[in-house]
Amino acid sequence: KAGVTQTPRYLIKTRGQQVTLSCSPISGHRSVSWYQQTPGQGLQFLFEYFSETQRNKGNFPGRFSGRQFSNSRSEMNVSTLELGDSALYLCASSLGVVPDTQYFGPGTRLTVL
Amino acid sequence: KNEVEQSPQNLTAQEGEFITINCSYSVGISALHWLQQHPGGGIVSLFMLSSGKKKHGRLIATINIQEKHSSLHITASHPRDSAVYICAVRPPEARYNTDKLIFGTGTRLQVFP
Repeated sequence: KAGVTQTPRYLIKTRGQQVTLSCSPISGHRSVSWYQQTPGQGLQFLFEYFSETQRNKGNFPGRFSGRQFSNSRSEMNVSTLELGDSALYLCASSLGVVPDTQYFGPGTRLTVL
Repeated sequence: KNEVEQSPQNLTAQEGEFITINCSYSVGISALHWLQQHPGGGIVSLFMLSSGKKKHGRLIATINIQEKHSSLHITASHPRDSAVYICAVRPPEARYNTDKLIFGTGTRLQVFP
C-alpha cells in the first residue's frame, strides 16, 4: 500500500496570507489527524477527522481549520498567517478505531515571512 | 511542568552499545506510543503499548502503568538508529476531544561508528 502523502512538501508565505495543506491517507484509513511541530512547542495535536466529520480539536485558534472529503483525503487551512505559524505540519492516518496505530506523512514545512 | 517527560534529552553512543530512553507521564493514559523521527521530519510509529512489553527486531518497549513510566531500549545500536525518539500518550476519553496525543519533547540519539 502507498503511504501517507502530503502536499506541498515546502511552502513559503507572508504574514496575513492563507494557506491550504493537503493529506492523502493510506487506502482504507478513515481517520486523518493533523499535528503542528515547532522547535519551541514540540508536537501538538491540531484536529482529527473521521468519515468527513471533525471528531476532536486541539487548543488552536479558529484560524486553523480543516475538512475531510468522501475519499478520506483531508485539507487543513490556516488563515491570516502569523510568523509563529512557521512549523512542520504533519498528518497521520489510521483506521480510526482502537487500537489506533497512526501512520505519519512526511510533513509540510511552512515558513511564514 | 510537562505532562510527558523524556530523559535524556540528548544521547550519544558508540555503535553496538545498548541504549535506554525513558518516558514518564503524569496523566492517566489509555495507550503510549513510541515514535521515531529522522532528519527531514518523517515520523515512524515504532510501538503502541497499553501494558507489558513489546519487541520488534532490536527495539524493545516496556511500560509500567502503576509507575507511569515507559522505556525504549535499543540493543546493538547502529548509526542508522540516529534519530529523535518521541514518547506520546493517549489520555483517557474525557480529554480525548482536545488532546488526542500528548507528546514528550523527544530524545535526540546519535550513534557513532
